[in-house]
Amino acid sequence: QVQLVESGGGVVQPGASLRLSCAASGFTLFNKYGIHWVRQAPGKGLEWVSFILFEGSNRFYADYAKGRFIISRDNPKRTVYLQMNSLRVEDTAVYYCARGGGPLDHWGRGTLVTVSS
Amino acid sequence: EIVLTQTPLSLPVTPGEPASISCRSSQSLLDPDDGKTYLDWYLQKPGQSPQLLVYTLSYRASGVPDRFSASGSATDFTLKINRVEAEDVGLYYCAQRLRFPYTFGQGTKLEIK
Repeated sequence: QVQLVESGGGVVQPGASLRLSCAASGFTLFNKYGIHWVRQAPGKGLEWVSFILFEGSNRFYADYAKGRFIISRDNPKRTVYLQMNSLRVEDTAVYYCARGGGPLDHWGRGTLVTVSS
Repeated sequence: EIVLTQTPLSLPVTPGEPASISCRSSQSLLDPDDGKTYLDWYLQKPGQSPQLLVYTLSYRASGVPDRFSASGSATDFTLKINRVEAEDVGLYYCAQRLRFPYTFGQGTKLEIK
C-alpha cells in the first residue's frame, strides 16, 4: 500500500536549519506524482507549506516559507526533501508530506519540528 | 490568498443523527477552463494524520462510507453525514487546490454527545 514516511525532525534553536525527508513506497511511477508538505502547529489547524511537481521543475511555497525553505526531490530514491533555514519559534509544528498532483490522497504520519531557545 | 471559513467550529452530535459542516470561500473555486470545483474535505481522527474524504467538490475518496456526501456552489460548500457514528469523531477540514498557495479552513471538531 502507499506509504509516506517523514523523518528529520527534532529540536533546534531559532536561526538553525533542518532538512526533512519524505520517503515514498508502495506505488509505481513516483516521478509522476507531486508531493506536498503540510504542517500543523500544536493544537492548531493544517497549514500548507510547499509543493513540488514531478521532475522538480515547478515548486510552490507559502509566503512564510519563501526565501527560507527549499523543496527538492530525488526520484531514483523516491524521496522529497524540505530544507528549512532560519527557523523561527513559529515554525514549530508536525510536518506532514502528502501525495498530490490532484487531491492530497495519502499522508505520512508526520515529523515533529520544535524550534526553541 | 483564498480564505476558507468553516462553520461551526465545534459540532456535538448524537450518534445516529445527521451532521452538516459549511465552508465558505473568499473566491470562486470553479475553474472556468475545465468546469471543476477544486474543493476537498479531509478528516483528521484523534491522534492520526489527515485523510482524504471528498475531492473536487463531491467525489468520495476510496473507502469512504456513503453516509458522507458533499455539495456546493462556487463559493459555498457543505459536507453532510447522514447518520453520525462514533468513528466519525475528529477534525474536519475543507481545502482548496484551485491555486497556490493551497489553503485549509480552520477545522470543525465533531464530537459525540
